[in-house]
Amino acid sequence: DTGVSQDPRHKITKRGQNVTFRCDPISEHNRLYWYRQTLGQGPEFLTYFQNEAQLEKSRLLSDRFSAERPKGSFSTLEIQRTEQGDSAMYLCASSPLTSGSFHEQYFGPGTRLTVT
Amino acid sequence: SQQGEEDPQALSIQEGENATMNCSYKTSINNLQWYRQNSGRGLVHLILIRSNEREKHSGRLRVTLDTSKKSSSLLITASRAADTASYFCATAGGGNKLTFGTGTQLKVEL
Repeated sequence: DTGVSQDPRHKITKRGQNVTFRCDPISEHNRLYWYRQTLGQGPEFLTYFQNEAQLEKSRLLSDRFSAERPKGSFSTLEIQRTEQGDSAMYLCASSPLTSGSFHEQYFGPGTRLTVT
Repeated sequence: SQQGEEDPQALSIQEGENATMNCSYKTSINNLQWYRQNSGRGLVHLILIRSNEREKHSGRLRVTLDTSKKSSSLLITASRAADTASYFCATAGGGNKLTFGTGTQLKVEL
C-alpha cells in the first residue's frame, strides 16, 4: 500500500508526558501537512512542510508542539508536557507539488491521542 | 478556526434517495473540496471545484459553487448504505492549507 501512514494509531499518555507521532507521506509528494481534529469538528490546520522546509505554522501550534521533516520524507510531531486539551485525532496529509496548481490532499488514518 | 458551516449537521435518508448537503464559507478561495470521513478514520478526497467553475460531476456526486454567495452544495444521488459517513467541505485560499467546515453526518438506512 502506498498511501499515507501514521504511527502509532492510538496513544494514551498521562498529563505532563511527551509524545511523538510519525507520518510517512506518499513517496513522491513534496508537501506534508499536519491537522488536529477534535470530536464533532472538522480538522484544523497545524503546520505544513514543502520538502524539509516548514513553511507555515498555525497559532494553534503552541511552544509545546514541534514538527520536523529532516530529510524531506517522513515527519514527526512532538508534543511536550501534554495537557488534557491536547486529546484529539492528529491527521497527516500529503500532496504533490505542481506549479500553478493546488491539489487535493491525501490523508493518513490519524493518530488518536488521549491524555489522562 | 473553522472556515464556515455545513448544513444540515446531520441527515438521515433511505437507501436510493438523494442526499444534499450545503457548505458556506467566509473568505475568497482558489478552490473548494469535499472530503468524506468514515467513523474514526482519515479523510478521503471526493471532488475539487475551482473558483471559476460553477458545477462539477463525478460519478454519483454533483457539486455546485456560488462564489457570490460563498456557498457550495454536494449532491449524492441514489445513496447507498456505504455512503454513511461525515462529509466536510474544505476551502483552499492563497496558502496551501485547507480550512474545513464543521461537517455533515450522513446516515443511509437500508
